[in-house]
Amino acid sequence: EPEVTQTPSHQVTQMGQEVILRCVPISNHLYFYWYRQILGQKVEFLVSFYNNEISEKSEIFDDQFSVERPDGSNFTLKIRSTKLEDSAMYFCASKTGPSGANVLTFGAGSRLTVL
Amino acid sequence: AQTVTQSQPEMSVQEAETVTLSCTYDTSENNYYLFWYKQPPSRQMILVIRQEAYKQQNATENRFSVNFQKAAKSFSLKISDSQLGDTAMYFCAFMKHGGNQFYFGTGTSLTVIP
Repeated sequence: EPEVTQTPSHQVTQMGQEVILRCVPISNHLYFYWYRQILGQKVEFLVSFYNNEISEKSEIFDDQFSVERPDGSNFTLKIRSTKLEDSAMYFCASKTGPSGANVLTFGAGSRLTVL
Repeated sequence: AQTVTQSQPEMSVQEAETVTLSCTYDTSENNYYLFWYKQPPSRQMILVIRQEAYKQQNATENRFSVNFQKAAKSFSLKISDSQLGDTAMYFCAFMKHGGNQFYFGTGTSLTVIP
């Protein structure tokens, strides 16, 4: 069964530091997403990415955040200067097409702890 | 804006029994998709079942079925013959047709008791 893989599984960082979370989507998927879940709260959409550009982003996804697909396999989320409130589980997801009929496959998540 | 509400933060069920998890949503869209995702402890979310709003027939996947009430904006998940491996967090999610993002509920933590 193809999987979306995420690294690291857990990262602890100091406030103000830059963090890069990495994702390897399923190889034939074309649409990529980042979601986050603050402890005890709902899973929230951050950004969607298609054809090497952002297709949609939420109000959470401010100038501190950026995404990149540097090569044919990785999809990264960068937080330039982390804040305490960035502590959350970050989920990468991918699917083959834009429709809701296409299954959105999630990774296991990267837990970010900002001290 | 779309919102998804799961009013049961925690539930438990005896092994082999049936349990129903509730989900309601609010939208002005007429065409959309609804999903139940399962997240076992320390594992990724996996799709359990999916319903297309224009289909009147309730979706079923083996022991999992939904009760989709479009007028009431309700989308409950029924798990029959509960198994220990069903222990997980269950998330209800909404996506509008042609949309890009999922809207999730806060989740229901289900424990299956042996």
